Amino acid sequence: GDSVTQMEGPVTLSEEAFLTINCTYTATGYPSLFWYVQYPGEGLQLLLKATKADDKGSNKGFEATYRKETTSFHLEKGSVQVSDSAVYFCALSDRTGGFKTIFGAGTRLFVKA
Amino acid sequence: GAVVSQHPSRVICKSGTSVKIECRSLDFQATTMFWYRQFPKKSLMLMATSNEGSKATYEQGVEKDKFLINHASLTLSTLTVTSAHPEDSSFYICSARVQRSGSDEQFFGPGTRLTVL
Repeated sequence: GDSVTQMEGPVTLSEEAFLTINCTYTATGYPSLFWYVQYPGEGLQLLLKATKADDKGSNKGFEATYRKETTSFHLEKGSVQVSDSAVYFCALSDRTGGFKTIFGAGTRLFVKA
Repeated sequence: GAVVSQHPSRVICKSGTSVKIECRSLDFQATTMFWYRQFPKKSLMLMATSNEGSKATYEQGVEKDKFLINHASLTLSTLTVTSAHPEDSSFYICSARVQRSGSDEQFFGPGTRLTVL
């Protein structure tokens, strides 16, 4: 079945450092890919998405590019802030899977001032 | 944007009792809603797909008699945890599927934290 694998955390960075969180997927169909963020004590929020190969999703300085050849959707940000501390989930949704969203395990990010 | 609410946000109950959690789409209609369970510091596990007017589709390993799902209208789905036990304590999250021209998205509720004593 479909699955998502993302790098284990926690990831601890200093403010203004570069962030990369790796995400790879397996899918039988042609999925849409997502990054969700969960801030402490809050629900899930969609951070960005991409629906087809080579699409780049971006929001709040975060970016991720849908790479079909490597089945990857790595999340990047050039300069993190303390307020970016949260748990980040990579996810996919596939028409052949009934549009169910499959989540990765989540990566906790701590940003130090 | 599309807003999904859940009620209650927190609930504490005694072992053996049943708890109902509501998931509402506030400004749109959702023919499909999903229920997830999130364990502490873990990812979300899809429990079931709730379709308006029909029976829910449960994921493998999820007891349908324990987790009753009802999607009685296009804006409301309910999850009832029957005869709750401490191992059912978790964070339950719903999402609603929105299909618009050229897009298919899910919007998540804020979650319900269930504690079974």
